[in-house]
Order: sequence, then structure tokens, then C-alpha cells
Amino acid sequence: AQSVSQHNHHVILSEAASLELGCNYSYGGTVNLFWYVQYPGQHLQLLLKYFSGDPLVKGIKGFEAEFIKSKFSFNLRKPSVQWSDTAEYFCAVNARIKAAGNKLTFGGGTRVLVKP
Amino acid sequence: NAGVTQTPKFQVLKTGQSMTLQCAQDMNHEYMSWYRQDPGMGLRLIHYSVGAGITDQGEVPNGYNVSRSTTEDFPLRLLSAAPSQTSVYFCASSYQWTADRTFFGQGTRLTVV
Repeated sequence: AQSVSQHNHHVILSEAASLELGCNYSYGGTVNLFWYVQYPGQHLQLLLKYFSGDPLVKGIKGFEAEFIKSKFSFNLRKPSVQWSDTAEYFCAVNARIKAAGNKLTFGGGTRVLVKP
Repeated sequence: NAGVTQTPKFQVLKTGQSMTLQCAQDMNHEYMSWYRQDPGMGLRLIHYSVGAGITDQGEVPNGYNVSRSTTEDFPLRLLSAAPSQTSVYFCASSYQWTADRTFFGQGTRLTVV
């Protein structure tokens, strides 16, 4: 079974600061990797995903993530945050075998507060 | 509107009561799942389905039942509610098994007193 850990539970930063959220996963096989965002009171929205190819993936709202296979990591970055980036961020993995169906394993989430 | 629809949005139950959380999607997705979201624990998979008539347990299935009689609907039943089931529940669906383009419902906030 796979597991996902997110290193920071809470992050507080000021507008224009850079953001990096750590994500490590544990699984013996190949995975698909995702970052989701949940704005207050809303459902999850996909920020970006990695299936294969270039390990640096760009998503919506200026976010990007880098897959480092040797470190089992998929860290999320944004060079300059805005107040509207205040949200909870979830890293998730899906084992790349058909028997796994569309099951996603999520990390515990990181709450990001951006102060104006 | 296309998407995943969950009802109700809010529910308060007394310990021991039963209820069904409804989930419907109109995208003809084969794959559907139920997750619960608890602070600091992310989302955890309760049950999932890979097609009509096929369901299986996820990480935290105890106290919950599901069935999938149609492609569109995937209800989650709480058999005898307990305070530990206080949570936010999300239904999700996707077309492919790779979890690409997974759609989430708006969530059901359940409180068991």
C-alpha cells in the first residue's frame, strides 16, 4: 500500500513570498502524482499532476511541482504568493496499476495562510 | 450542470441513527469513490467502485456500506452512526483508472452527537 506525508501542517507567509510545500510518498511501484487545493468551504480542485515525462510540471495559478524519483518526492512551489492562495493543499498519489482503480492516497494536508 | 452532486450538504445525526449520503454523477464515469476528510489526516478512502455492481473497501470502511446499482449513483450508508463518524464526506468520480480528471463533489458535513 502507498502512503503520503506532507512535512508542514501549517505555513504562514506574507504576500509576494515564495512558497514550497514538501511531499514524500512511499510505494514500491510507479505512481501518478497530484496536488490538490481546497479553498475555504469548497471542494478539492486539481492544481497539477505528474504522470510521466518532464519531472517539472506546471499547473494552474502559477504553481509548479518537481518530481524527484530518487527521493520519492513531489514538492509544490510558487515563486510569489497572493492572499488568494490561502487554502489547504493536499498531495496525493495513485498507484499506476489498473487494479488500483482510481484510488487516491492523500497526505495530511498543509494549511497555508497568506497575510496581506 | 455536469459534475458530481452530493446531498445533503449538512446533516446532524444522533448516535445510533442510520442515514444515506447520496452521490450522483452525470459524466458516465465508471470509477467512483467515497472519502472522509478529518483535520490533519487528509482524505481517507472509505469505499470505491470500478463499475456498476462492483464495489470494494478502502482504508476506513468500518461502519459504512455502499452499493452501485447504476453507473450514475453511488450512495454511502451509515449503519449506526457514531461520534467518530463526524467528518466531511466527499464523493469523487473519474473516467479512467489512472485517477486523471477526478471530479469531487461539494462535500457533506456530518455531525454525530
